[in-house]
Amino acid sequence: TQLLEQSPQFLSIQEGENLTVYCNSSSVFSSLQWYRQEPGEGPVLLVTVVTGGEVKKLKRLTFQFGDARKDSSLHITAAQPGDTGLYLCAADSGSARQLTFGSGTQLTVLP
Amino acid sequence: DVKVTQSSRYLVKRTGEKVFLECVQDMDHENMFWYRQDPGLGLRLIYFSYDVKMKEKGDIPEGYSVSREKKERFSLILESASTNQTSMYLCASSVLRGGTEAFFGQGTRLTVV
Repeated sequence: TQLLEQSPQFLSIQEGENLTVYCNSSSVFSSLQWYRQEPGEGPVLLVTVVTGGEVKKLKRLTFQFGDARKDSSLHITAAQPGDTGLYLCAADSGSARQLTFGSGTQLTVLP
Repeated sequence: DVKVTQSSRYLVKRTGEKVFLECVQDMDHENMFWYRQDPGLGLRLIYFSYDVKMKEKGDIPEGYSVSREKKERFSLILESASTNQTSMYLCASSVLRGGTEAFFGQGTRLTVV
């Protein structure tokens, strides 16, 4: 089973600040997904990246897939309290039907 | 609106009880999954199924079994619940091709006392 490491594990910031969270592995992925999970709910997909070096933007969220397809980052600009949640990365090696999930970054944005 | 529905949000069971967690999806997805989620450990795959009556072990299958008699329904069974199975359980579904979006249910918080 491939290992996905996410950092930091916890992040607490003030509204309006910028932040970046990371997802790293020693394995190469065919695709990588980012999910957000709010308390009491299941994770919901934010984005899928498939090409090395790919950058995708979703309003104030910017996702990047590393050139070697082993790592990814999520950058949030001007964070808002509504961004609070658990951010999970998940990877598909291409050889199996299931996703492997990282342990997540718990983000708290204080008003 | 796509939907994955888990039968219970909260369950409290006694040690040694047989526990059934039910999951139904309305998207005609081939793949269905059961994960457990514990603080600091992320989502760990227990079992998954890519077809009716098919099942494959995930990373932590010990103490669990599953049943998929119909395409839309995937059940997780704890044959004899133990306190170390206290956790959040998440069901998910996806289309057959790997790497596609997983749709999750709202989760079942199981406490074994």
